[in-house]
Amino acid sequence: QVQLVESGGGAVHPGRSLRLSCAASGFIFRTYAMHWVRQAPGKGLEWVAVISFDGTNTYYADSVKGRFTGSRDNSKNTLYLQMNSLRPEDTAVYYCAREDDASPDYYYGMDVWGQGTTVIVSS
Amino acid sequence: EIVLTQSPATLSLSPGERATLSCRASQSVRNNLAWYQQKPGQAPRLLIYDASNRATGIPVRFSGSGSGTDFTLTISNLEPEDFAVYYCQQGSKWLRIFTFGPGTKVDIK
Repeated sequence: QVQLVESGGGAVHPGRSLRLSCAASGFIFRTYAMHWVRQAPGKGLEWVAVISFDGTNTYYADSVKGRFTGSRDNSKNTLYLQMNSLRPEDTAVYYCAREDDASPDYYYGMDVWGQGTTVIVSS
Repeated sequence: EIVLTQSPATLSLSPGERATLSCRASQSVRNNLAWYQQKPGQAPRLLIYDASNRATGIPVRFSGSGSGTDFTLTISNLEPEDFAVYYCQQGSKWLRIFTFGPGTKVDIK
């Protein structure tokens, strides 16, 4: 079945780095744009980054620009988020989600989500 | 930067009632708006895409409307499983910058 599974979360000190992974299965991964979305404890959803279907284009929220880097390996059906210079405010559950970006006019939304992986940044 | 505002913050209703949730954008997003439902401890679930289209498997009691800056999610006949938090989200096809609204919690009266 269509599935996304995140991994790589954990507890780190401020200023350190972490790399998250998102393994995709059950669909043609290379044809979808992929997003990272996070949710701080007790808070709402915050979009983090989008990676185009082929990985050539990436866009980021201002809050993570210059610190986080999204990438993908379509041969491994895997999405990544490299997080550097982590701050306490980066503490959140991180979700990956897919988007059908084929149409230039329609926004199809994020229709498949993983279960999330937790990142805690604390000294 | 496109800012989304949702109202009300909390909606207290009884099963069987109609829920009307509002989402307003600080500038036009055309129809590039989606709605999500999230229950505690779960990932969000896509309900509506491109402002008014139900996602696969979403019951007909969920409907979306609006365009430009003002959007509405309507749940016509609340079922017990509909009590959750609802988020709107804009997806800019040209800027590729995405924003979520702060959410509306629909709870049991």
